[in-house]
Amino acid sequence: ETGVTQTPRHLVMGMTNKKSLKCEQHLGHNAMYWYKQSAKKPLELMFVYNFKEQTENNSVPSRFSPECPNSSHLFLHLHTLQPEDSALYLCASSQGLTGTHGNEQFFGPGTRLTVL
Amino acid sequence: AQSVSQHNHHVILSEAASLELGCNYSYGGTVNLFWYVQYPGQHLQLLLKYFSGDPLVKGIKGFEAEFIKSKFSFNLRKPSVQWSDTAEYFCALCYSGTYKYIFGTGTRLKVLA
Repeated sequence: ETGVTQTPRHLVMGMTNKKSLKCEQHLGHNAMYWYKQSAKKPLELMFVYNFKEQTENNSVPSRFSPECPNSSHLFLHLHTLQPEDSALYLCASSQGLTGTHGNEQFFGPGTRLTVL
Repeated sequence: AQSVSQHNHHVILSEAASLELGCNYSYGGTVNLFWYVQYPGQHLQLLLKYFSGDPLVKGIKGFEAEFIKSKFSFNLRKPSVQWSDTAEYFCALCYSGTYKYIFGTGTRLKVLA
């Protein structure tokens, strides 16, 4: 049982669709992260939020739009995606930003996205 | 560029064999180091971490790792693997004062019963 949940677990969408991924953490953390996991590539950090404020946008295309309404919820809004955006999208949270006293990130199960 | 290398992409072992997975990073500096495991169909879970103190750290399920600063390495070890250790293992680091994980590409371990 993870303290980080993600919905949906699987999503298939066309290139003209608009969809959203949702992440919720039940750990009382204040930092949340979006990652992209593609086959044979390292996990790629996309966005970081700390106390609801975006602190990192890792050169992510504008067709990915994050939203963090509070410290427990994180969304990733998707529109006009490309087939190469098909991947596993992972959400994570941490108490304080990673890199301080070994704060680790806790990961959700991911959303498997397929763009047709 | 800062990077993490996991040279073994696929490892196959028999039960009771010893395991060592390599992890090297490219840049010196004060680091926080992590090993995560992803069992089939499950989320990434933390195995162990190092951020200061004793460079030999022990984690869950009998795993341990040793931080060797002079070699920029943080290798994962287990003296006797079990079939249930079949999973993908990821090394990650975070430089102190930053908040970005840098992940390796992962090592797929298959343990034969």
